[in-house]
Amino acid sequence: DAGVIQSPRHEVTEMGQEVTLRCKPISGHNSLFWYRQTMMRGLELLIYFNNNVPIDDSGMPEDRFSAKMPNASFSTLKIQPSEPRDSAVYFCASSLTGQGGEKLFFGSGTQLSVL
Amino acid sequence: GQQVMQIPQYQHVQEGEDFTTYCNSSTTLSNIQWYKQRPGGHPVFLIQLVKSGEVKKQKRLTFQFGEAKKNSSLHITATQTTDVGTYFCAGPRGGSYIPTFGRGTSLIVHP
Repeated sequence: DAGVIQSPRHEVTEMGQEVTLRCKPISGHNSLFWYRQTMMRGLELLIYFNNNVPIDDSGMPEDRFSAKMPNASFSTLKIQPSEPRDSAVYFCASSLTGQGGEKLFFGSGTQLSVL
Repeated sequence: GQQVMQIPQYQHVQEGEDFTTYCNSSTTLSNIQWYKQRPGGHPVFLIQLVKSGEVKKQKRLTFQFGEAKKNSSLHITATQTTDVGTYFCAGPRGGSYIPTFGRGTSLIVHP
C-alpha cells in the first residue's frame, strides 16, 4: 500500500495567492482528516470527513480556508487568499471507518511558506 | 473543550538514560493513542490504550493508562539515538471519536 499521499511536498507562495493542497487517502479508508502543525499551536485539527462528507470543520481558521472531498480517493484544502501566518506543515491523515479507536495514518505533509 | 496536556515540552538525555513523558486530560478518555514524529517526518502511530490501568510494552517502550483514564505515560528505558523525535498523545475530542493531540514532548538524545 502506498499510504496517504500528499502533494506538493513543499509550496512557497506570495501573500494573496491561492494555495491548493492535495491528499489521496489509503484505499478503503472512509475517514479523512486535515491537520496543521506549527511551533506555536502544535498539531491542530482543521476538518474531518467521513464517507466524503464534512463532519467537523470547527477547526477551520476562517473563510479563507475551504476543504472538499469530491470522492473517496481525493481531498483538497484551499487557502484563498493566503497570508504569512498560514505558513505551517499541513498533514492529511486517514483511518478505516472513523468510528473511534482507530489509528490514523498520516501523509508526509505539505510544508507551506507564505512570503 | 477537552484538551490533552503533555509534559515536559522538551527533554534532553544522555544516551542510555531513561525518558518519560506524561499526558493528562481534564475529562475521562475512552482511549488514548501515542504517536512518534521523527524530525522532518510525520506522526506515526505507536499504540492505543483502552482499559483502565492498562500497561503495554514495545521493546524498551512502556505505555500506561491511568486508573481513572485521565492520564497516560510513555517510558523509554535506556534511550538510543534512534529514539529522537517528538512523542504525542492523542485522546478523543469530547463526545466524538476525533483524536485531539497534545503538544508533544521532544526527546533529544545526546550520544
